[in-house]
Amino acid sequence: QSALTQPPSASGSPGQSVTISCTGTSSDVGGYNYVSWYQQHPGKAPKLIIYEVTKRPSGVPARFSGSKSGNTASLTVSRLQTDDEADYYCGSYANSNYVFGTGTKIIVL
Amino acid sequence: EEQILESGGGLAQPGGSLRLTCVASGFNVIKSDMRWVRQAPGKGLEWVSLINVAATSTYYADSVRGRFTISKDTSSGALSLDLNSLKAEDTAVYYCAKGWYHLDVWGKGTAVTVSS
Repeated sequence: QSALTQPPSASGSPGQSVTISCTGTSSDVGGYNYVSWYQQHPGKAPKLIIYEVTKRPSGVPARFSGSKSGNTASLTVSRLQTDDEADYYCGSYANSNYVFGTGTKIIVL
Repeated sequence: EEQILESGGGLAQPGGSLRLTCVASGFNVIKSDMRWVRQAPGKGLEWVSLINVAATSTYYADSVRGRFTISKDTSSGALSLDLNSLKAEDTAVYYCAKGWYHLDVWGKGTAVTVSS
């Protein structure tokens, strides 16, 4: 199973929005509505912020939203805050396996 | 609050073995689908293994199949990952996480270094 493809970095100023893409195949992203997004600050464990493409766990701000079209999923962070600067990984269920994206660093300018 | 704590990491020689253990508070590891995920230094996340609720099915990434074994210990309520025939490329922080379709609870990880 190959890693899902994400851009290495994305940036925006506080208050702006940034969108990250996550491209897979029909065997993972395109084949299931089980795409998740994880936020990881340096030296910390990943944290689930989006699951089942669009759902947010309790406590995750509505500024984080997800979508999917075909084999590509996207994460949008609206109204950027300084604490949003972190690495973001998509993940997809794939027939009992699990595949992560290559990771995107969001930089808040 | 659901929390996970991993232990057992450390330094191992190439070809050596380690056992990682994962315990939880706020939920029961034995009654949950559980995965191990690792992250090599400066690299991304890599799924390693999955065990289902009943511990009747186990799954492994190609990179570790035949060398790693995931299991549940009902007497201690812990999840384990036995690492055998270790290679330098197994050096990583190993995370225990809860979930089948998504990983909603993560531990802080335990570091494994494979070096002579």
